[in-house]
Amino acid sequence: QSVLTQPPSASGTPGQRVTISCSGSSSNIGSNSVYWYQQLPGTAPKVLIYRNNQRPSGVPDRFSGSKSGTSASLAISGLRSEDEADYYCAAWDDSLSGVVFGGGTKLTVL
Amino acid sequence: EVQLVESGGGLVQPGGSLRLSCAASGFTFSSYAMTWVRQAPGKGLEWVSSISGNGGSTYYADSVKGRFTISRDNSKNTLYLQMNSLRAEDTALYYCAKVAGSCSGGTCLGDFDYWGQGTLVTVSS
Repeated sequence: QSVLTQPPSASGTPGQRVTISCSGSSSNIGSNSVYWYQQLPGTAPKVLIYRNNQRPSGVPDRFSGSKSGTSASLAISGLRSEDEADYYCAAWDDSLSGVVFGGGTKLTVL
Repeated sequence: EVQLVESGGGLVQPGGSLRLSCAASGFTFSSYAMTWVRQAPGKGLEWVSSISGNGGSTYYADSVKGRFTISRDNSKNTLYLQMNSLRAEDTALYYCAKVAGSCSGGTCLGDFDYWGQGTLVTVSS
């Protein structure tokens, strides 16, 4: 069981908006930044969102992140077939003195 | 261009040891914290260990504490992970990742801006 909780799967049709949730606690999301990673099939993960809602250069503005209390969300608007991937949230955990990941959400574009 | 190239993976028996290496290039290695993250076959990402830029601070997941040691040689631009007392559950693809920004610990350690392609460790008799 992962410290951060994500739905195992999500889906949408091209052009739709989907959101992926990430639930934690006061020791991780509640007091630290949240990061989102995208892992395309057979490749290494890539950072999509850092410090809760910041996008690295090169990441389309279709991807956005938000945080409220002990939960965070990744939103993907204008869904495209190439967005089909696994998505992970991550945060530092003060109690564990380490980084914790969510279990991952497999996004399917129908 | 930032490059991270892992090596040292392979097949090892339970209880055995292995040392992973990650050769870094394209950035001032000593200025950045580094991390190992692993992924068991068909499973999610699991943070393993992180080390500050000067090597003075190290952090470990409970699952590897006391068995794995992270280190770095800034003169060789290389990150290491010494893995002892290996178990079947350590079987995974091990990625090294660069931590973004001037981060020495805490909340910023979750920010991995570059990743290698991984090296596979299989623990089996």
